[in-house]
Amino acid sequence: GQQVQQSPASLVLQEGENAELQCNFSSTATRLQWFYQRPGGSLVSLLSNPSGTKHTGRLTSTTVTKERRGSLHISSSQITDSGTYLCAMNSGGSNAKLTFGKGTKLSVKS
Amino acid sequence: AQTIHQWPVAEIKAVGSPLSLGCTIKGKSSPNLYWYWQATGGTLQQLFYSITVGQVESVVQLNLSASRPKDDQFILSTEKLLLSHSGFYLCAWARGGNTGQLYFGEGSKLTVL
Repeated sequence: GQQVQQSPASLVLQEGENAELQCNFSSTATRLQWFYQRPGGSLVSLLSNPSGTKHTGRLTSTTVTKERRGSLHISSSQITDSGTYLCAMNSGGSNAKLTFGKGTKLSVKS
Repeated sequence: AQTIHQWPVAEIKAVGSPLSLGCTIKGKSSPNLYWYWQATGGTLQQLFYSITVGQVESVVQLNLSASRPKDDQFILSTEKLLLSHSGFYLCAWARGGNTGQLYFGEGSKLTVL
């Protein structure tokens, strides 16, 4: 079945450093979507793009569909950025199924 | 603006008891609706999806069922809970056809004892 691999599994940064989160997927995706998962489990949708680069605030998502990879760049990290970041691949089809990765746990320290 | 509401926020239930989780979407007609589940420490996975009222497709067999009684409502249920049903349940809707972005509710946490 479809698989999504995220790396690194965990990342520790000093406040102000940049973070680069990677996502590789096993089959053709129509869209990559990045989420922040709160400690209670709910999801915050961050960025979603089928290909190319998209920005919002300090976040940049880049998807290279033909190479089956994507990344999320967080610039000037803040302590409040700490948490789990999930990458999800939408492979289209009648169910628009999102296949999620296991996540990257980010810790930003002062 | 569209809003998605899930209920209950959390449930603690006994093994063998029934369960019903609900989801309502406002501000969007004929949305595609989805149920996702995450076991504690596990990966989110899609359980069901529905494109129209009365039609639900199962993606993963977990001894759960889903129904869409109204255009804006999606229900997840079982008559007998198992320990393995514990976890976090998320409802989502999509705009823009099958390749569109998904929007998630706040989720329901289920603990089965």
